[in-house]
Amino acid sequence: KAGVTQTPRYLIKTRGQQVTLSCSPISGHRSVSWYQQTPGQGLQFLFEYFSETQRNKGNFPGRFSGRQFSNSRSEMNVSTLELGDSALYLCASSPRDPKRIEAEAFFGQGTRLTVV
Amino acid sequence: AQSVTQLDSQVPVFEEAPVELRCNYSSSVSVYLFWYVQYPNQGLQLLLKYLSGSTLVKGINGFEAEFNKSQTSFHLRKPSVHISDTAEYFCAVSLPKTSYDKVIFGPGTSLSVIP
Repeated sequence: KAGVTQTPRYLIKTRGQQVTLSCSPISGHRSVSWYQQTPGQGLQFLFEYFSETQRNKGNFPGRFSGRQFSNSRSEMNVSTLELGDSALYLCASSPRDPKRIEAEAFFGQGTRLTVV
Repeated sequence: AQSVTQLDSQVPVFEEAPVELRCNYSSSVSVYLFWYVQYPNQGLQLLLKYLSGSTLVKGINGFEAEFNKSQTSFHLRKPSVHISDTAEYFCAVSLPKTSYDKVIFGPGTSLSVIP
C-alpha cells in the first residue's frame, strides 16, 4: 500500500512569489492535515480537510490556503512568500473523521520550501 | 491549556546502551500522549500512544513509554539502541476525543547513536 506522497520534495522560491504544494493521501483516507515545521517554532498545525471541507485552521495568515479534491488529494498554496515561510511542510492522512484523534495520522516525507 | 516540555534537546548515546528521552506535560484534565519519530529527511512516524488503561505502553522498534500522572511525565525508553535509532523524537499531547488541530507537539529531542 503506497504511503502519503508529497510533491515536490524540494522547492526554492523568491520572496513575493506564490507556491503550491501537493499531497496524495493513502488510498481510502479521507482526512488530510497540513503542518509547518521550522527549527524555531517546531511543528505547527496549518489546516485539516475532510471530504473536501476545511474542518480546522491553525493560526496562520490568509496567505496560507488549501483545498481538497474529490479524490482526497490536497493542495496548499502560499501567496506572497516571505523569508519566514522557509520550512518543511508536512502532510498527514488519516482514514477516519478528523475529530477522532484516536485514528493514527500517517505522514508524508514533506516538501522542503526555501524562500530566498 | 495543555503544554509539553522535552527537557533534552540533544541526547548522545553509545550503540547498545539504554536511553531515556524525557517528556513532561502540563494539563488540568486527562490527556492523550504520543511519541513520534522523525528520521532525517522524512515525515513523522507514530512510535506509541497512551489513550487510557495500562500506564506502560509498548511501541514499535523496541520503544516503550510509561505514563506517570503524579509526575505528569511520559518518558520514552529503549533498553538497547541501534545506529538506526538516530533521529528526532517528538512528544505530543492532546485532549481526549479531539481533532488533530489540538495536538501540541514538543520541541523535539535529537537522539544521536554513537558507534
